[in-house]
Amino acid sequence: GAVVSQHPSRVICKSGTSVKIECRSLDFQATTMFWYRQFPKQSLMLMATSNEGSKATYEQGVEKDKFLINHASLTLSTLTVTSAHPEDSSFYICSAPGPFRDTFGSGTRLTVV
Amino acid sequence: DAKTTQPNSMESNEEEPVHLPCNHSTISGTDYIHWYRQLPSQGPEYVIHGLTSNVNNRMASLAIAEDRKSSTLILHRATLRDAAVYYCILRGGNKLVFGAGTILRVKS
Repeated sequence: GAVVSQHPSRVICKSGTSVKIECRSLDFQATTMFWYRQFPKQSLMLMATSNEGSKATYEQGVEKDKFLINHASLTLSTLTVTSAHPEDSSFYICSAPGPFRDTFGSGTRLTVV
Repeated sequence: DAKTTQPNSMESNEEEPVHLPCNHSTISGTDYIHWYRQLPSQGPEYVIHGLTSNVNNRMASLAIAEDRKSSTLILHRATLRDAAVYYCILRGGNKLVFGAGTILRVKS
């Protein structure tokens, strides 16, 4: 079946630095990918839709300059958290839609200290 | 996106069937009913989906009410590995909008 690989699985960074998270579709092409954020004991919140070859579409309230999304190929989307702060600490998850189901990455636990 | 309502939590005994309800009274005619589950510290996993008819797969069954305003996910024999948050989602477009889901606890 379809597999989405997400790296890293966990990362700790210092406040003010940037962190890049990668999401790869391993055995299929994904012109669209989704990025979610999940705080402890809460549900997933859609942050943005990543579109191959064009600009990402951000959900209301998500800062596009802080969460940079690049979808340079049909198998890779990246999310860069710029100038990270402790409040950006969260579980970030990507997914790729299929004909009838979405395939999710395993998530990235970001801790900003 | 149409909203779904699920119980906050449910508990089951191992090896027994589990029925997870979902209400979606504002469902539109073209919305599919999707179920995903999320194990701790993992991304969600697809479980099952349907439109009007009941559906079965190797993981679960989905029973859809005739008026489509509610549905029930059925795990036929719960195992400890089924302990997760189960999300019932209506999908009319490309996006999945997650609600709070139901925390399923399975007792041995």
